[in-house]
Order: sequence, then structure tokens, then C-alpha cells
Amino acid sequence: AQSVTQLGSHVSVSEGALVLLRCNYSSSVPPYLFWYVQYPNQGLQLLLKYTSAATLVKGINGFEAEFKKSETSFHLTKPSAHMSDAAEYFCAVSDLLGGGADGLTFGKGTHLIIQP
Amino acid sequence: NAGVTQTPKFRVLKTGQSMTLLCAQDMNHEYMYWYRQDPGMGLRLIHYSVGEGTTAKGEVPDGYNVSRLKKQNFLLGLESAAPSQTSVYFCASITTSGSLTGELFFGEGSRLTVL
Repeated sequence: AQSVTQLGSHVSVSEGALVLLRCNYSSSVPPYLFWYVQYPNQGLQLLLKYTSAATLVKGINGFEAEFKKSETSFHLTKPSAHMSDAAEYFCAVSDLLGGGADGLTFGKGTHLIIQP
Repeated sequence: NAGVTQTPKFRVLKTGQSMTLLCAQDMNHEYMYWYRQDPGMGLRLIHYSVGEGTTAKGEVPDGYNVSRLKKQNFLLGLESAAPSQTSVYFCASITTSGSLTGELFFGEGSRLTVL
């Protein structure tokens, strides 16, 4: 069974500062990993996904994440935070590309706050 | 291009009442899912379907039933609503082929309050 742990339910950064959201996973097989973003009162949308092609994955809105097998981590970063980045971020894991049959396993989410 | 559409978006129920949430997707996706989102809990899978006429239980299926009579629709039913079912419900779909394989597409959510 796979699981995801997101460190920090709330992260606050200043506008223009580095954003780092942490995600550690547990999986018995090579995982497929995802970061989703949820803006207020909206559904989730995909930021980026790791599918074993390249360990550094670039996503939308300037975000990227690096898969580190030795650390079982998939942390999300952005060099310079923008006010529009304020949202809830979810890390998710799947054993099979496509979510297998039973979908993705999500972390509990990290609320990103951007200070002006 | 509607994607995944959920109806209704908001609903208030009294304990014991029943209701159905409808999810419709126009992307011809094979798999569909119902999740619930609660503060501090992330998203938890209620039920899912891998194709027309098939459904399966997820992590938190008790108190819910589902049906997938048509490939594009996935219904979530509450037979006798309880306050513990107050939540935001998300439908999602996924394809297992092509360049978008692996990406879950979500609806905008249905906010349910049970009094």
C-alpha cells in the first residue's frame, strides 16, 4: 500500500521568496507522483507529475519538483512566490500510471500563504 | 469543453433525507471516482468505477451508494444522510491512454451540509 506525508499543514512565505513544500511517499513499487493545486472554491488541477522519465519535473506556473528515490521525497519548489500562488497544494502517489483502478492516494494538503 | 461537471454545487439536507449527486464527464474517460474532502484530512476515496456498469468501494464507502449506467455519468447517492457526511464532494475522471494518462480531472465540487 502506498501513502503520502506532507510536512506542514500551513506554509507562509513572503512574496518573491522561495517556495518549498515537502512531500514524502511510501510505496512498495516504483511510484508515480503528482502535485495538484486547489484554489479557493475550486476543484483540483494538476501542477506536475513524475512518471519515471526525468527526476526533475517542471510544471505549470513556474513550479518544479525533484524525485529523490533515496529520500523517498518529491518536494515542490518555486524560486519566487507570487500572490497568486496562495492555494492548497496536494501531493499524491499511485503505483501505476493512470492511478491504477483505485485512483491516487493524496496527502492531507499544505496551505500556502503568501505575505505581501 | 466542459470537462467534469458536478450537480448540484450546494445542498443542505436534514438528517435522514436522501439525495443524489451527479457527475458527468465529456472526455470519454474510462475511470471515474468520488472523493470527499474534509479539513485536515485531504481527499478520501468513497467509490470508483472502471467502466460502465462496474463500481467498487474505496476507503470510506459506508453510507454511500454509486451507479454508472452510462460511461459519461457517475452518480453518488446518500440513502439516509448523517451530519458526518457534511463535506465537499469531488468527482474525478481519468483516461488510461494517450498523453494525458495519469492525470485526474476534477469537477468543481459539491458542498453538502447535513443538519
